[in-house]
Amino acid sequence: GDSVTQMEGPVTLSEEACLTINCTYTATGYPSLFWYVQYPGEGLQLLLKATKADDKGSNKGFEATYRKETTSFHLEKGSVQVSDSAVYFCALMAWAGNMLTFGGGTRLMVKP
Amino acid sequence: GAGVSQSPSNKVTEKGKDVELRCDPISGHTALYWYRQSLGQGLEFLIYFQGNSAPDKSGLPSDRFSAERTGGSVSTLTIQRTQQEDSAVYLCASSLTQKNTGELFFGEGSRLTVL
Repeated sequence: GDSVTQMEGPVTLSEEACLTINCTYTATGYPSLFWYVQYPGEGLQLLLKATKADDKGSNKGFEATYRKETTSFHLEKGSVQVSDSAVYFCALMAWAGNMLTFGGGTRLMVKP
Repeated sequence: GAGVSQSPSNKVTEKGKDVELRCDPISGHTALYWYRQSLGQGLEFLIYFQGNSAPDKSGLPSDRFSAERTGGSVSTLTIQRTQQEDSAVYLCASSLTQKNTGELFFGEGSRLTVL
């Protein structure tokens, strides 16, 4: 079945450091790929998405590129802020599917 | 409110008791999802509703779990004869249509602790 694997956390960075959270997936066909973020005390919310190969999703300074050849969708940000501290989830939705399959989540802690 | 609302936010129960968790989706959202988040684990899909019907119940872990949705709006997830392994955060999400956009709006969850 479909699955998503992402790097285990926690990831601890200093403010203004570069961030990469790795995500790889296994799926048949052509899934859509997503990053969701869960800030402390809040529900999950969509951060960015990409629906086909080579698409780049971006939002709030975060980016991720859909790489079909490596089945990856790594999340990147050039300069993190304390306010980026949260748990990040990579997810996929199968083509013609109706539910999201999530990875295990990666906690990011950014220190001032 | 404008978002997905879940209640109770916290529930502590004794092993063997039944519990009901409630989800009030965003008005007008036709699709509704239940997920479970166990400590240190990712999100586990439980069930999906389109309107009042549940075309996908594949994630329900046992026959102790059931869910219903009435009037195309509020949903309840019922766990009978709770076990300690049921302890988790139960998340509800809704989306505007069945169309495969992948944008789900999540509630803050109901944290269930089974003693």
